[in-house]
Amino acid sequence: QLHLQESGPGLVKPSETLSLTCTFSGDSFTGASDYWAWIRQPPGKRPEWIGDVYYTGMSYYNPSLKGRVSISLDRSRSQFSLKLDSVTAADTAIYYCAREFIYDNNAMTHSWFDPWGPGILVTVSS
Amino acid sequence: QSVLTQPPSVSGAPGQRVTISCTGSSSNIGAGYDVHWYQQLPGTAPKLLISGNINRPSGVPDRFSGSRSGTSASLAITGLQPEDEADYYCQSYDTSLSGSVFGGGTKLTVL
Repeated sequence: QLHLQESGPGLVKPSETLSLTCTFSGDSFTGASDYWAWIRQPPGKRPEWIGDVYYTGMSYYNPSLKGRVSISLDRSRSQFSLKLDSVTAADTAIYYCAREFIYDNNAMTHSWFDPWGPGILVTVSS
Repeated sequence: QSVLTQPPSVSGAPGQRVTISCTGSSSNIGAGYDVHWYQQLPGTAPKLLISGNINRPSGVPDRFSGSRSGTSASLAITGLQPEDEADYYCQSYDTSLSGSVFGGGTKLTVL
């Protein structure tokens, strides 16, 4: 069974870079369906997809964050990472990592997230 | 304003049936993108409840069921139990946002 765990600082100053790592264990790469995602959830609000990285290293980002976000994969260490630049108070949230399962149906590509890590609260404050 | 709209809250007595709607548009559910549902218990991460509109992952009770029609989807919970009290979120893909989107969430209260 796959397990994911987020790690990183819980407090980041405004204008600095938020850096988080997700370590996964208990499962192996299955190939074409393996995407690894970051999702955040501000307190009391809905989750927001930040982006994901394919097992090849190709990454995709939420257009609302494009230019500030970077996601990378280190398969040798079973880790993937998130970097978010120039943070503000609006970036305060619980950050989750998750496996994103992608499949094709009716000539369209769909995806869901399972499992999720327990999450890490990141507060942006001076 | 969420791309996927859910009622903020629903409630029901133990043993009753409740439904939670997820209304989208022609750029997501109406375009044919599948809907997935998550249950978030207080203080925990969301957990996949329904995938691909109707499929229950292993371990999810058959009291939970999903459906999709047109630009909307629904989650039904029968035989309500106190442990079902949680927030429920729908998720799909949106072409105008070029990514996965979540509904605003529905808080289920078991009376």
